[in-house]
Amino acid sequence: EDQVTQSPEALRLQEGESSSLNCSYTVSGLRGLFWYRQDPGKGPEFLFTLYSAGEEKEKERLKATLTKKESFLHITAPKPEDSATYLCAVINQAGTALIFGKGTTLSVSS
Amino acid sequence: NAGVTQTPKFQVLKTGQSMTLQCAQDMNHEYMSWYRQDPGMGLRLIHYSVGAGITDQGEVPNGYNVSRSTTEDFPLRLLSAAPSQTSVYFCASTRDPGNTIYFGEGSWLTVV
Repeated sequence: EDQVTQSPEALRLQEGESSSLNCSYTVSGLRGLFWYRQDPGKGPEFLFTLYSAGEEKEKERLKATLTKKESFLHITAPKPEDSATYLCAVINQAGTALIFGKGTTLSVSS
Repeated sequence: NAGVTQTPKFQVLKTGQSMTLQCAQDMNHEYMSWYRQDPGMGLRLIHYSVGAGITDQGEVPNGYNVSRSTTEDFPLRLLSAAPSQTSVYFCASTRDPGNTIYFGEGSWLTVV
C-alpha cells in the first residue's frame, strides 16, 4: 500500500536555527516525490519534485534530498516567513494522483 | 494567470442539501483531481480525471459525484450533504502526474 509518513508533526525553531523535516515513503516504483508549502487558508504551493535517489534541489533557504526510502527538507537559517505547513507527497502506484503525508507545521520565531 | 480556480470559497449547507463545487483550469491540463483536507488526516483523494469523459474514484469517493465534459472544468457534486463532509476541498490539475501539480485556493464547506 502506498504510504507517506512525515515527522515531526510540529517543529518550533528560533530564527536562524537550522533543522530538517523528514518524509518516509512506501510506494512501488517511485515516479516522483513532491514537497509543498501550505499557508493557513491557502492551497498547497509547489516547492520541489525529486525523482531518483541522490537527487537534491534547492530554493532559497530550503534544500530537498531524496534516498530510496525517505526525503528530507533542510531549512537553513530560517526566518519567520518560513512558518507554514510543509507537505510531502508521492505519485501513487497507478500514476494517477498524489498520496500525501499529514504534514509538518513549522513555526519560526524571531 | 488564473491557474486553478475554485468556487465558492465558503459555503454552509444543511444536512441533505445538494451542491456543486466548481473547478476550472486554464492550463490545458489533462489530469484533474479533487482532494479533501481534514485536521489530522492530511489531503485525501476523492475523485480524479485523466481527460474529458474519463473519471475514476480515489480514496474517499462516497457521497461525491464528478463528471468531466470539457478539459477545463471538473465539478464536484455533493448529492445529499452530511456533517461528515464538512471539510476543506481542493481541486488540482497537471499535465501529467510526474509534473508539477497545481492546486486551487480551496473551498471551505460546513454541513450543519
